[in-house]
Amino acid sequence: GQQVMQIPQYQHVQEGEDFTTYCNSSTTLSNIQWYKQRPGGHPVFLIQLVKSGEVKKQKRLTFQFGEAKKNSSLHITATQTTDVGTYFCAGMEYGNKLVFGAGTILRVKS
Amino acid sequence: ETGVTQSPTHLIKTRGQQVTLRCSSQSGHNTVSWYQQALGQGPQFIFQYYREEENGRGNFPPRFSGLQFPNYSSELNVNALELDDSALYLCASSLPGGSGNSPLHFGNGTRLTVT
Repeated sequence: GQQVMQIPQYQHVQEGEDFTTYCNSSTTLSNIQWYKQRPGGHPVFLIQLVKSGEVKKQKRLTFQFGEAKKNSSLHITATQTTDVGTYFCAGMEYGNKLVFGAGTILRVKS
Repeated sequence: ETGVTQSPTHLIKTRGQQVTLRCSSQSGHNTVSWYQQALGQGPQFIFQYYREEENGRGNFPPRFSGLQFPNYSSELNVNALELDDSALYLCASSLPGGSGNSPLHFGNGTRLTVT
């Protein structure tokens, strides 16, 4: 079945450094979504990418969807302590089952 | 606009028992999905309900079952609890059409511990 893999599993950065997490699917996706989960909280939707090669920005966050619609990335510029949490990608095949990656835990040292 | 609410927040059960978890969807959302999140893992899709019918299922055994009511609220039932069922159970609602084309709005979850 469909698998979504995320790397790295964990990253600890100094405040002000950049951060990137990568997501790869075993199958072609109709869309990919990104979520953020703060410690002790629930996943919160960040963005959805649908088109091949799509790039979207939200302030310091940049999201990309690969040309083959099988991979994606989230890049945070100049991390802040408020960026702490686990970032999940979730891939949708042509159906209604959203498959989450295992997430990347981001810790920011001030 | 009210968000997704889940009850109870925490629950402790014994192996072999049965449990029912409840979820009220966000106003205007008629699709509800249930996810299981083990510690340190991503949410795993259990099933989705749309218009009171199961509309997709993940790799979970039949002892995981659900219901959706006319007001779009939902229940997750788990029979014959096993130790590995200990996890955070997340309910998520979404706009009409299912989670495929609209974001999931998650509740705070129910933390189930099976001893």
